[in-house]
Amino acid sequence: AQSVTQPDIHITVSEGASLELRCNYSYGATPYLFWYVQSPGQGLQLLLKYFSGDTLVQGIKGFEAEFKRSQSSFNLRKPSVHWSDAAEYFCAVNNAGNNRKLIWGLGTSLAVNP
Amino acid sequence: GAVVSQHPSWVICKSGTSVKIECRSLDFQATTMFWYRQFPKQSLMLMATSNEGSKATYEQGVEKDKFLINHASLTLSTLTVTSAHPEDSSFYICSAGVQGGGALDTQYFGPGTRLTVL
Repeated sequence: AQSVTQPDIHITVSEGASLELRCNYSYGATPYLFWYVQSPGQGLQLLLKYFSGDTLVQGIKGFEAEFKRSQSSFNLRKPSVHWSDAAEYFCAVNNAGNNRKLIWGLGTSLAVNP
Repeated sequence: GAVVSQHPSWVICKSGTSVKIECRSLDFQATTMFWYRQFPKQSLMLMATSNEGSKATYEQGVEKDKFLINHASLTLSTLTVTSAHPEDSSFYICSAGVQGGGALDTQYFGPGTRLTVL
């Protein structure tokens, strides 16, 4: 069965430090991968997505993610975190079937220390 | 682009009443809309998938008679929580799918609706 794992439930970093949020997936075919961010009291915003091609994907707000097929991973990175990046981050896989459902990770809560 | 709105953003109702939540894609036509429920500090739980002009497909364990979904147009879907009870209190989120080629969709999310049933 398809699944998405975000191993880190909660991460705390200092402002200005680099960030990497991990995401591993289990999927039989080429996955379509997404990272979403949910700020407190707000809806989910698409940060970036991978469909095919270049395995390093650039997103909004200075985020990037790298698809590594050999490791079944799609980790999210940012070189320098800002206090406004504190939020919940969700990784998801599109099953690319007729119903186009997203399979979600449980999320990683990011806290940023000043 | 790809903006999705939800109305209302929050609602408080009495037990036994029905509540309707609207989801609109403002600047694009969505072939598919999705309804999710999110519990505090948890991930999203897909409730149902709806395609314009056809009946919604509900996930296992979701009562279709309790959570009525209507997808009347390519820009509007509604979720009606019928005879709401306190256990239905939750954060309901909709998304609209934009076809990215083949069977691929990117989902764009509404801001959510906080439902509190007294």
